[in-house]
Amino acid sequence: QSVLTQPPSVSGAPGQRVTISCTGSSSNIGAGYDVHWYQQLPGTAPKLLIYANNNRPSGVPDRFSGSKSGTSASLAITGLQAEDEADYYCQSYDSSLSGSYVFGTGTKVVVL
Amino acid sequence: QVQLVQSGTEVKKPGASVKVSCKVSGYTFNTYGIGWVRQAPGQGLQWMGWISAHNGAISYAQEFQDRVTMTTDTSTSTAYMELRSLASDDTAVYYCARATADFDHWGQGTLVTVSS
Repeated sequence: QSVLTQPPSVSGAPGQRVTISCTGSSSNIGAGYDVHWYQQLPGTAPKLLIYANNNRPSGVPDRFSGSKSGTSASLAITGLQAEDEADYYCQSYDSSLSGSYVFGTGTKVVVL
Repeated sequence: QVQLVQSGTEVKKPGASVKVSCKVSGYTFNTYGIGWVRQAPGQGLQWMGWISAHNGAISYAQEFQDRVTMTTDTSTSTAYMELRSLASDDTAVYYCARATADFDHWGQGTLVTVSS
């Protein structure tokens, strides 16, 4: 059972900006734990997209950005491209579950 | 470059156990933890547990606490995840990943199918 809630899907036309929310609580995001984001293309392993709220690993385009505020976080994709169609997951840590990493429910990005 | 290479597809009967391996290269094994994450067909990511390759410290997700064992072999830079008492809803792709606060490198995944 995921403790981080994401919208099931978001969509946008090529070139548009889309955002994905990740809503947590006072025992995870609200407690100050960092949020990380992953992209999962069909049939492949997840790939780290954003770490520590708003940092991009080497090779990740600057079209991807992250933010965090209170008990929520967001991933923004600007200049949406067809290759961005994938599943996206947020991840944090939850202090109420005895040392537990937690993932979001996942969001499918559809490029119209 | 950092690589995590997992063992191959498994088919198991209900009640059996499975042991998945994850051999790492490209970094010093005992300086990071290894996390295990599974993904049932059409479903999201589910964290199973974490093991420190430095000192063997372990944290398991509550739902797997009673039937999972994670180990490491520093001599071969390999991590293992054993899951016991398999049921049909354990059918999933199982991933290992290099772990700190995030999971920055992932294995290719191991499909485990549980079927009578």
